[in-house]
Amino acid sequence: DAMVIQNPRYQVTQFGKPVTLSCSQTLNHNVMYWYQQKSSQAPKLLFHYYDKDFNNEADTPDNFQSRRPNTSFCFLDIRSPGLGDAAMYLCATSRIGTSGRPVSYEQYFGPGTRLTVT
Amino acid sequence: RKEVEQDPGPFNVPEGATVAFNCTYSNSASQSFFWYRQDCRKEPKLLMSVYSSGNEDGRFTAQLNRASQYISLLIRDSKLSDSATYLCVVLAGNNRKLIWGLGTSLAVNP
Repeated sequence: DAMVIQNPRYQVTQFGKPVTLSCSQTLNHNVMYWYQQKSSQAPKLLFHYYDKDFNNEADTPDNFQSRRPNTSFCFLDIRSPGLGDAAMYLCATSRIGTSGRPVSYEQYFGPGTRLTVT
Repeated sequence: RKEVEQDPGPFNVPEGATVAFNCTYSNSASQSFFWYRQDCRKEPKLLMSVYSSGNEDGRFTAQLNRASQYISLLIRDSKLSDSATYLCVVLAGNNRKLIWGLGTSLAVNP
């Protein structure tokens, strides 16, 4: 089945220790998103890739970086995690504006990585 | 005014009840609308897309009123498994980003 996969599902890191979260997709979607979600809050968009074009949200801290080496993979790097960065990190994909195919703006989510910072 | 507003609930209903959730949005240029369902500590899952005046999928009906900038979700014959948070989502003007409501919590009781 086509899907969005995130690894690891649970990550524990120490304060200030860099961590990388990964996302892969078999949907062949051209847009990939990273969201942060804290308890009882809506998902908060950090950034997204439209093909290879990186789009950062204005309020995303510099501590958060991303890489997309190819269509299928996207990484979230947290350079120096703080206690306030403990959250669920969600990867999502969508297919937008691809030539010759129906446009779909729906986003499909992976299961998330729950990050704990000690 | 928030871009997407929902009644947070919680809504507590018995099995078999009909329940309706409302959502308002502020950007009159918005073109696409969605309802997502999120279970506790899980990822959001697309429940329905609302592209025109509304649509129905089994026990679920979504309605769109562009003049009032209002979206609704109706759930008929509620099941225990419908207990979740329902998130109203609006496509932003640049057609790449979703604007999320805070969600409405539903608990269906036996």
